[in-house]
Amino acid sequence: DQQVKQNSPSLSVQEGRISILNCDYTNSMFDYFLWYKKYPAEGPTFLISISSIKDKNEDGRFTVFLNKSAKHLSLHIVPSQPGDSAVYFCAASAGSYGGSQGNLIFGKGTKLSVKP
Amino acid sequence: NAGVMQNPRHLVRRRGQEARLRCSPMKGHSHVYWYRQLPEEGLKFMVYLQKENIIDESGMPKERFSAEFPKEGPSILRIQQVVRGDSAAYFCASSPGNSPLHFGNGTRLTVT
Repeated sequence: DQQVKQNSPSLSVQEGRISILNCDYTNSMFDYFLWYKKYPAEGPTFLISISSIKDKNEDGRFTVFLNKSAKHLSLHIVPSQPGDSAVYFCAASAGSYGGSQGNLIFGKGTKLSVKP
Repeated sequence: NAGVMQNPRHLVRRRGQEARLRCSPMKGHSHVYWYRQLPEEGLKFMVYLQKENIIDESGMPKERFSAEFPKEGPSILRIQQVVRGDSAAYFCASSPGNSPLHFGNGTRLTVT
């Protein structure tokens, strides 16, 4: 039973436009959400996170939105660049960053392709 | 500042052999995690360790798999009597505690 779902396996966007990656979760105990980016043959790299007490967190071109009532979060990348092409994983934790109070539950990922 | 180091990057084992995967956390990080990624899947938590202690092994198969993080040296994930279904990418991550996990580049295990 998937607790974190990324329903779009892939997304293609033109350079300079907005990329929107979506993630749904089922466990209401989750209180931290993270996005990781992964290139082929490399490990995931942390991008941005959000606590359940917030509904938005912004870091440069990356913004994460959280809708707790809908159990939905999204990652916006503006403007998209070809170097953003990678697999993006949504992850959730019941307690902190998956540290001493829990572990991270990952979605299956969305492959983003940004075309020049 | 070196990141999380995993070795080997690729490991090929025949069915029934043992696989040993090593992970050196980032300097100053005392929390180590192991995750497994099967093809077309997300990462699945296996085990969380601090120095000399297993904190959470709820994601680890009950048989054939073990993990340690000794006082000195890297963390080791050991898989005994490997089977084809163990073929996957195994990622180690570390953290200083209460902060996002930093992942290594993984060990790709192939069981023939």
